Amino acid sequence: AQKITQTQPGMFVQEKEAVTLDCTYDTSDQSYGLFWYKQPSSGEMIFLIYQGSYDEQNATEGRYSLNFQKARKSANLVISASQLGDSAMYFCAMREGPRDSGYALNFGKGTSLLVTP
Amino acid sequence: GAVVSQHPSRVICKSGTSVKIECRSLDFQATTMFWYRQFPKKSLMLMATSNEGSKATYEQGVEKDKFLINHASLTLSTLTVTSAHPEDSSFYICSARGQKSGELFFGEGSRLTVL
Repeated sequence: AQKITQTQPGMFVQEKEAVTLDCTYDTSDQSYGLFWYKQPSSGEMIFLIYQGSYDEQNATEGRYSLNFQKARKSANLVISASQLGDSAMYFCAMREGPRDSGYALNFGKGTSLLVTP
Repeated sequence: GAVVSQHPSRVICKSGTSVKIECRSLDFQATTMFWYRQFPKKSLMLMATSNEGSKATYEQGVEKDKFLINHASLTLSTLTVTSAHPEDSSFYICSARGQKSGELFFGEGSRLTVL
């Protein structure tokens, strides 16, 4: 079964607008971590933001914020004030188990974001 | 900050040859590294978990004799694609756990094309 679901294959947003990229997850673990990565056409994976399952506050990193709704098992990424350079693939990922567990990440299928002038 | 480096970034080889991809942690020791494979416009699929000094743990469906993983030191893991075929053409990415709790760093990826 898919552990990470990203239902939006592609999204458009106008420059300077905010955009929300959806992510839902499935796990029976109490301790887990949620990640968002950006992958530009060059292929490198750029870490954006992290949310631990026990973190009470939503994570924020600059223009990125994670809308964590634990009961709904969703971890949407919000990008505020979009820039042309934000155009890329965005992947939601989950690590099951505690931070030191050493488990690999499960990735969603990704959302392609295009920021238009 | 910590950096994970992969080499080569691009490689083209003939069918039947073997190709080695290196993943190095540049300024930290990585006891665990992960190897992923990504097809065009697709997600990252975990291939194996590489542990320093022990055998790699392969995901279901990944041929261990085809994709040889060696993690001989705390800063280097290698993936060797043996007897490569065109269907092995893909983007291979490694990641390594940092020293701080929860840190995970990715390499730049290696694009393999088998002719």
